[in-house]
Amino acid sequence: QAQLVQSGAEVKKPGSSVTVSCKATGGPFNRYTISWVRQAPGQGLEWMGRIIPNLDIVDYSQNFQGRVTISAVKSTTTAYMELTSLRSEDTAVYYCASGDHYNYYGMDVWGQGTTVTVSS
Amino acid sequence: DIVMTQSPPSLPVTPGEPASISCRSSQSLRHSNGNHYLEWYLQKAGQSPQLLIHMASSRASGVPDRFSGSGSGTDFTLKISRVEAEDVGVYYCKQALQTPIAFGQGTRLEIK
Repeated sequence: QAQLVQSGAEVKKPGSSVTVSCKATGGPFNRYTISWVRQAPGQGLEWMGRIIPNLDIVDYSQNFQGRVTISAVKSTTTAYMELTSLRSEDTAVYYCASGDHYNYYGMDVWGQGTTVTVSS
Repeated sequence: DIVMTQSPPSLPVTPGEPASISCRSSQSLRHSNGNHYLEWYLQKAGQSPQLLIHMASSRASGVPDRFSGSGSGTDFTLKISRVEAEDVGVYYCKQALQTPIAFGQGTRLEIK
C-alpha cells in the first residue's frame, strides 16, 4: 500500500530556512507527481508546487516569489521542499501528496503533514 | 491563473438529509482529452485531506456511493445523498488542469 512519510515538526527563526522531506513507500515512484500543499492555522489549502521526478519537471506557485525549491532523489524515493527567508506567516502544516502522472486520478496519497513554526 | 470559488462556506445538515456543495472555476476545466480535471477532497479535523472525487465525477477507491460529483466546463457540484456524522469536515474542490494548481476556499459541513 502506497504511503508518504514526512519528516518531523520544526521550529525556526525568522529569516532562516526549513527543509521538509517526504519518503514514498509501496508505490511506483517513477510514475509519481508529488505536490506540496500548506495549511496555515485555521486556513484553507494552498498549493506550493510540484515535481515529476521521472521527467525532472518542477512547477512552482508564484505566491512564494522564488523562496521555495522542490527536489527529489529517485534512488531513495524521497521528495524535498525547502522554504527560505522564513517569516511568521509561513507557520503552517506542510503536506506532500502524490498522484500517478501517467494515469492521473487525483492526489490519492497524502503524507501525515509536518508542522513548521516560525517564531523568534 | 485559474481561480476556484466554492459555496456555501458553511453547511449545516441534519443526518440522513442530502447536501450539496458548488464549485466554480474561472476557466473551463475541460482537457482536450474530454476529461474535466476537477477533484473534491475532504479534510476531517486533525487529518490530512483525502481524495473523494476525480475527473469531476469518478469516486476514488473506497469512497461510499452516497458521494457523487457532477458538472462540466466551469460549474461543478458535490452531492451527498444522505449525510452521516462521519461526513463532518471541510470539503475542497481543486483544479488539476494546469499549474498553478488551485483549491477552492473550502466548505465546512457540520451536523445540525
